[in-house]
Amino acid sequence: DQQVKQNSPSLSVQEGRISILNCDYTNSMFDYFLWYKKYPAEGPTFLISISSIKDKNEDGRFTVFLNKSAKHLSLHIVPSQPGDSAVYFCAASFGQGGSEKLVFGKGTKLTVNP
Amino acid sequence: EAGVVQSPRYKIIEKKQPVAFWCNPISGHNTLYWYLQNLGQGPELLIRYENEEAVDDSQLPKDRFSAERLKGVDSTLKIQPAELGDSAVYLCASTNGQGDEQFFGPGTRLTVL
Repeated sequence: DQQVKQNSPSLSVQEGRISILNCDYTNSMFDYFLWYKKYPAEGPTFLISISSIKDKNEDGRFTVFLNKSAKHLSLHIVPSQPGDSAVYFCAASFGQGGSEKLVFGKGTKLTVNP
Repeated sequence: EAGVVQSPRYKIIEKKQPVAFWCNPISGHNTLYWYLQNLGQGPELLIRYENEEAVDDSQLPKDRFSAERLKGVDSTLKIQPAELGDSAVYLCASTNGQGDEQFFGPGTRLTVL
């Protein structure tokens, strides 16, 4: 029973356009959500996070939106760059902050074409 | 500042053999995690340490897996005996335990033949 779902295994966009990665969750007790980025042969790298008390968090080209009623969050990358090509994992935790146990989705492979 | 260090990076063993993985977290990070990542899946928590205490090992298959963090710094994860299904990437992560995000090491890719 997957509590965090990333239903799109892959996404391909053109350089300069917007990338939108989606994530759904089933457990309404999740309090904190994170996005990690992973390059081949490397560990996941933290990208951006959002608390359940917010609906938007922005950091440079990256924005995460949270819709609690729909149990849905999305990561927007604008503009997309070839270096953004990686696997993106959505993760959720029951506590406030990233120190708690993380439940990860399966990941979405983003390819940004020059 | 050095990141999370893991060794070895790759390991190939025959089934039924033992194997051990080592992790050195970021200096000052009290909380350490071991995750298992199967192909095409996200990481799954195996065990979480606060200093030298295992505070969550509910997902660790204790019949064959063991872990230790004796001095509250580096940690070892062991599998004995290894099975074919243990082939995966084993990730170590650490955090300062103050709500900040987890920092991951590069992982150890285990292949069991």
